[in-house]
Amino acid sequence: DTEVTQTPKHLVMGMTNKKSLKCEQHMGHRAMYWYKQKAKKPPELMFVYSYEKLSINESVPSRFSPECPNSSLLNLHLHALQPEDSALYLCASSQAPTTSSYNEQFFGPGTRLTVL
Amino acid sequence: AQKVTQAQTEISVVEKEDVTLDCVYETRDTTYYLFWYKQPPSGELVFLIRRNSFDEQNEISGRYSWNFQKSTSSFNFTITASQVVDSAVYFCALSEGDNSGYSTLTFGKGTMLLVSP
Repeated sequence: DTEVTQTPKHLVMGMTNKKSLKCEQHMGHRAMYWYKQKAKKPPELMFVYSYEKLSINESVPSRFSPECPNSSLLNLHLHALQPEDSALYLCASSQAPTTSSYNEQFFGPGTRLTVL
Repeated sequence: AQKVTQAQTEISVVEKEDVTLDCVYETRDTTYYLFWYKQPPSGELVFLIRRNSFDEQNEISGRYSWNFQKSTSSFNFTITASQVVDSAVYFCALSEGDNSGYSTLTFGKGTMLLVSP
């Protein structure tokens, strides 16, 4: 199973709402990632979890709150978002690289978020 | 600092034409990894290939082929006999080698390929 799943596929929310994005993988990967992608741009890294610990936070505003409940699940909690936060949110996972091997990131289908 | 340049913003071809997508990278590391991803309109990034810096062998997979040249810091991607289903945005990406427990990708800006019937 080389699949990363994400729910929901689409999400429309108001600026006062609280919602969560969910990502799941069953490949035994120990690194999981959140990316934000605006139209006609490459993905931008937001957060990295390695062995369920937050390893990278790319200066993301606190209205985005990641959570890694276990090695298979990754959540992104959203609160008081702005219209400019509307984007495609992609989750990815990879095996932890070692000095003798390297493993690519596998991406989920993304959640298209619209903030009104 | 790492950098990936995909100079072609958009390419349009007619079905069955061959097309090459260019990728030029910059890195100071001697160990690094190069990737190509395909992003169709549905949004998911599909992994196509990984190439290690110490392996300059070119690779062919069906209609896809990749030409890695360290001397010119390029990792170009050729689609032979293109098909409408090849229409997508293609990203070249670079990662430096380490064993930190995760990888970080530097993406190019992407090349949109439009294949018309």
